[in-house]
Amino acid sequence: ELKVEQNPLFLSMQEGKNYTIYCNYSTTSDRLYWYRQDPGKSLESLFVLLSNGAVKQEGRLMASLDTKARLSTLHITAAVHDLSATYFCAVDRMLYSGGGADGLTFGKGTHLIIQP
Amino acid sequence: DAGVIQSPRHEVTEMGQEVTLRCKPISGHNSLFWYRQTMMRGLELLIYFNNNVPIDDSGMPEDRFSAKMPNASFSTLKIQPSEPRDSAVYFCASSWRTGGGNTIYFGEGSWLTVV
Repeated sequence: ELKVEQNPLFLSMQEGKNYTIYCNYSTTSDRLYWYRQDPGKSLESLFVLLSNGAVKQEGRLMASLDTKARLSTLHITAAVHDLSATYFCAVDRMLYSGGGADGLTFGKGTHLIIQP
Repeated sequence: DAGVIQSPRHEVTEMGQEVTLRCKPISGHNSLFWYRQTMMRGLELLIYFNNNVPIDDSGMPEDRFSAKMPNASFSTLKIQPSEPRDSAVYFCASSWRTGGGNTIYFGEGSWLTVV
């Protein structure tokens, strides 16, 4: 059974600081997704990482994937209040041999609060 | 594009009643997923379809839950009879299934409360 663990689960930080959220998973996969969820809202796709060493950046967020270590990171640079949200990583189980998305297994999420 | 459309957005029902949640995927997408989100269990994959065919329903919690996808534009998730522990947010998501790694888009969710 695929397990996805995020840490920390809760993070309170000040504006302007840098921080990293970690996502470990238990079985082989090279498809890793990051989502953002605001309270009472849907999940917004941030990044899709598809290979070992993949790195993607959007604004103050940068995500990377190390498939050998089964680890992905989401780095926040010079945090601003608008980035306050819950961030989820999710892993494609890749069980279905027909290709394509196989359904994602999500971590518990990191609840991020950025204080002015 | 209108995105993934779910209805109803909110439903409050009494225990024992039948609940039907509806989903219209993004036009052109051929994979559809149903997820459930609760505080205790987080986000759980219930079932997913590819080209209208159920591929994996191992996440469906019990026989009270059923899902159908009669065509590429519509899917339903039914709970009969409903129980208070079914209270959750139910998300539908869709993607284009070509070789994997495509963005999976989520709907706004259906907030279900069973009293």
